[in-house]
Amino acid sequence: DADVTQTPRNRITKTGKRIMLECSQTKGHDRMYWYRQDPGLGLRLIYYSFDVKDINKGEISDGYSVSRQAQAKFSLSLESAIPNQTALYFCATSDGGSGANVLTFGAGSRLTVL
Amino acid sequence: GESVGLHLPTLSVQEGDNSIINCAYSNSASDYFIWYKQESGKGPQFIIDIRSNMDKRQGQRVTVLLNKTVKHLSLQIAATQPGDSAVYFCAEKELYFGNEKLTFGTGTRLTIIP
Repeated sequence: DADVTQTPRNRITKTGKRIMLECSQTKGHDRMYWYRQDPGLGLRLIYYSFDVKDINKGEISDGYSVSRQAQAKFSLSLESAIPNQTALYFCATSDGGSGANVLTFGAGSRLTVL
Repeated sequence: GESVGLHLPTLSVQEGDNSIINCAYSNSASDYFIWYKQESGKGPQFIIDIRSNMDKRQGQRVTVLLNKTVKHLSLQIAATQPGDSAVYFCAEKELYFGNEKLTFGTGTRLTIIP
């Protein structure tokens, strides 16, 4: 099984719908992240959490919310999806112990908003 | 603002040859630089990192070089194999107002020609 599991892997939805992307990890890491990947723009941070009671906005948090249900689970919600939220979303974890804060990524969730 | 950029968006290399992927950065305060590899349909995967007080670090078939004078980072892959075909991202980590900030480049697509 993968260390970081994202569901769903693919989702097509309509404008205005509420969408939840889920992430679970077996790494035992305290830190979890949600990134968005768009062609030519690299990875951009949406939200991150350093422990269950900690939630922080990233550089592009508008239109998104998150919930850290447990150390192993971190979900991303789009309350009212819009077409420019069509992207590939990645969940990642880290233990924060290494100097480089190396991230372990999930396989991604491709979201299409029509 | 600070950014991490790549000199070339695509690179094609004959199998068995060495490849060099370049990355320019602008933030002198970054303390670590990291390379990730993203294969088609997968999430980014850590390859190697280098601390800012080092000039060179070697891994298995990979070498990262850091030139702080010109703010340039490179990833050298020796004896390339078909499995090296992927998009490669550089990233820089800095402490930003007490929090860690990780900035990703836009990526270079490496294609290994059989």
